Amino acid sequence: AQTVTQSQPEMSVQEAETVTLSCTYDTSESDYYLFWYKQPPSRQMILVIRQEAYKQQNATENRFSVNFQKAAKSFSLKISDSQLGDAAMYFCAPNQGGSQGNLIFGKGTKLSVKP
Amino acid sequence: DTGVSQNPRHKITKRGQNVTFRCDPISEHNRLYWYRQTLGQGPEFLTYFQNEAQLEKSRLLSDRFSAERPKGSFSTLEIQRTEQGDSAMYLCASSVSGRAGETQYFGPGTRLLVL
Repeated sequence: AQTVTQSQPEMSVQEAETVTLSCTYDTSESDYYLFWYKQPPSRQMILVIRQEAYKQQNATENRFSVNFQKAAKSFSLKISDSQLGDAAMYFCAPNQGGSQGNLIFGKGTKLSVKP
Repeated sequence: DTGVSQNPRHKITKRGQNVTFRCDPISEHNRLYWYRQTLGQGPEFLTYFQNEAQLEKSRLLSDRFSAERPKGSFSTLEIQRTEQGDSAMYLCASSVSGRAGETQYFGPGTRLLVL
């Protein structure tokens, strides 16, 4: 992947509601992986979910799921039953592809959760 | 499994000084990545190692930046003749194998401030 666009600098969701964070990317690779990472304030980056580009089935991880549209190069994250602890910066990060594994990060979306 | 550790956590230095950061990956993780994160941005890839071999270093920001992983375990990132523009968070991540799609586990980062 060469560029990653997260078009929502900030999002807000009510506790227990559902929110979707968008991400589009540009790549010429056919074999790559996509990740969503969460970075709470002053804390380290934590993996939320991982998707293999060759798999058509969307990844899910408890309350987190993705909508992966390979042809459209879109990789959105849905958070269901939002909790206060979900408040953080969320980064979409496809990897470089091929043999290189480095991640290409978007600018992030800051998610606020209202009680 | 104690996670990825980085030292120091914070570093304040004067312009023109050299600084060195250390990263200890998760035990037996073969790949080690360095990223830089400036305020309000997603992390930016700098370099990576597979065991002791540095496989990509063209993304290092200038020839003032260098990295080593001499025994395939811990790694150091050195910045010579620091500039105010080097102020950022420096992140280290490791992954378990030599495969590009493996999940990267991040350390807490070293925050550098150049005065």
